[in-house]
This record gives sequence, C-alpha cells and structure tokens, in this order.
Amino acid sequence: GAGVSQSPRYKVAKRGQDVALRCDPISGHVSLFWYQQALGQGPEFLTYFQNEAQLDKSGLPSDRFFAERPEGSVSTLKIQRTQQEDSAVYLCASSLVPRGTGELFFGEGSRLTVL
Amino acid sequence: GDSVTQMEGPVTLSEEAFLTINCTYTATGYPSLFWYVQYPGEGLQLLLKATKADDKGSNKGFEATYRKETTSFHLEKGSVQVSDSAVYFCALGRYSSASKIIFGSGTRLSIRP
Repeated sequence: GAGVSQSPRYKVAKRGQDVALRCDPISGHVSLFWYQQALGQGPEFLTYFQNEAQLDKSGLPSDRFFAERPEGSVSTLKIQRTQQEDSAVYLCASSLVPRGTGELFFGEGSRLTVL
Repeated sequence: GDSVTQMEGPVTLSEEAFLTINCTYTATGYPSLFWYVQYPGEGLQLLLKATKADDKGSNKGFEATYRKETTSFHLEKGSVQVSDSAVYFCALGRYSSASKIIFGSGTRLSIRP
C-alpha cells in the first residue's frame, strides 16, 4: 500500500506475555520512528532507525522493550513480559529524510491492552 | 531538554467561529515546529510546519507563525468547519544529532454545526 501499515491493529495480552508489533513503512523511507501514545496524551518517542541502524533508543522505557529493522524496511517492536503500564497505542512513523526534520507519515497504530 | 506545551482541551466551537490553539515550546537554538492533526479513526498527519523564525506555515485554511521572541507557534483558522473536528498536536524537531520529534499532549477540537 501507499501508507505506513501496522499490525496487529489491536492486541490483548495477559500480563507476562511477550508481544510483537510490526511496522511496514513507506517504500524508500530512510527514517523509521516508534512512539508510544497513552490515552489522552501526545506520542512519546521510543526509538529511531536510519535504514537498518538504530541510532537512538533513548525513549525505550525498560530493557523489556526491543526494536529491530534488520533490512532497513520492516520493523518490529517487541515487548517482553508485558505489564499493565505497557497498555497504550504504539505508533510507527516513517520519513523520507534522515532524522527528525521532515514530515513524518504515521500508521494508524497498534493498540495494546495488557490484562 | 526540549519540550512543547499546548492548551488543554476539549475546545468546542460553533461552525464559522475563529479558532486559536496555543502552543509554546522550550528549546535551545532554532528547532523546526509542526502541527499534526489526527482525524477520528485515522493516523496522525502533518498539517503545517515552519523551519525558522517568522516563517508562517499554512494549509487547509490553518496558519501558524514561528515566533522566536515568545517561543510560540499558535494555530489559527478564521472560520472552522465541522470537518475540522480532530485532535491537534504541536511538535518540535531539529536539524541536529537529535533524532526525535517531540509532541505536545494534544488538543481535542469539536465543531458544532
């Protein structure tokens, strides 16, 4: 498709389960960002990739969060041993240019609910 | 560190009313400033941007001027429509080693017919 695609759109996990969220960015986009958006809040930065290199992971809240983009296109955000506080919408965005200077194109998000 | 503060919502207006959503930022140097919009059931999308002081970004009748002296980037529209109902996010980004774009907490706008 022409836009950023995220899957699954909705995920319900029991506390302690591992989850994996997938992002298909726009073809040819160099930059890929993951954000976490709690209910009623703005997106909070998690991590940034430039092609396959993870250049900034300063926003990952704990070592239970891990992201990869091995071939510089599709990215996966993995959350191990999920906790209730991980419940949020996880947004993926891509950009044609490096770093945080250009227009970000967002997917519709993956809503994670941890019971 | 960098931060963005925007007026809390919800904001409810009648159609054709004048809109202002306030946004101020804290940052050193000269960041780029953005307004993103999230329509119901859709992903965030860029509404407008400005990259240097006194620049005015505009799109779909919305405008915002980058004011360095007041560290502000207020969003305005002269006559809102029901279709403008959405959540609006002010954001900040940099031409530097910092990679992330920082978002405000969002302002929900509802327009009554």
